[in-house]
Amino acid sequence: DTGVSQDPRHKITKRGQNVTFRCDPISEHNRLYWYRQTLGQGPEFLTYFQNEAQLEKSRLLSDRFSAERPKGSFSTLEIQRTEQGDSAMYLCASSFRTSGSGETQYFGPGTRLLVL
Amino acid sequence: DAKTTQPTSMDCAEGRAANLPCNHSTISGNEYVYWYRQIHSQGPQYIIHGLKNNETNEMASLIITEDRKSSTLILPHATLRDTAVYYCIVRLRFISNFGNEKLTFGTGTRLTIIP
Repeated sequence: DTGVSQDPRHKITKRGQNVTFRCDPISEHNRLYWYRQTLGQGPEFLTYFQNEAQLEKSRLLSDRFSAERPKGSFSTLEIQRTEQGDSAMYLCASSFRTSGSGETQYFGPGTRLLVL
Repeated sequence: DAKTTQPTSMDCAEGRAANLPCNHSTISGNEYVYWYRQIHSQGPQYIIHGLKNNETNEMASLIITEDRKSSTLILPHATLRDTAVYYCIVRLRFISNFGNEKLTFGTGTRLTIIP
């Protein structure tokens, strides 16, 4: 399977614990995005990378959240001191950015986080 | 990005064509119309996108009105596996290397295919 993969698919944690999610994009995709989706809502943008550079962060990304993409391949999203409000599906997407006008993002299956 | 308006829910009989409307009356000439769908508990799946001409691929057809203020996604022969939430998204065409890259999702249309 050459699609976007995410690990783990499900995570249950206690409030106050730290969690880390991993995303492996489609090979050779230079853009990687993180979104969050709560029940009944569409996905909301969190942040994105072009290669290893983090180019934009949403206001939703509080200082407890940090994302990295150290070698421009896989990415990690860490949440420190989790809160119950962090319970959501965390989605990763990747795309290949060219100088042309089209860019399609392809999503992974998501990591569902439940904070107790 | 321009705001889109979609019906909250729709039903369609299995085997029939499903026609999902989207209004984007404030769309600019530099904005694409994208469609994604999300089957329960999965990540969004790209379906199709277009600028001003009608588009067709193996999954669906996209019909954009001449004034570009609305569009319709057509699933020609709906199956039970097409039951999902469908999102219509308007997104800026390339303007620079940075910015305006995120997809802005609304709440979409929940399409239910009836056996």
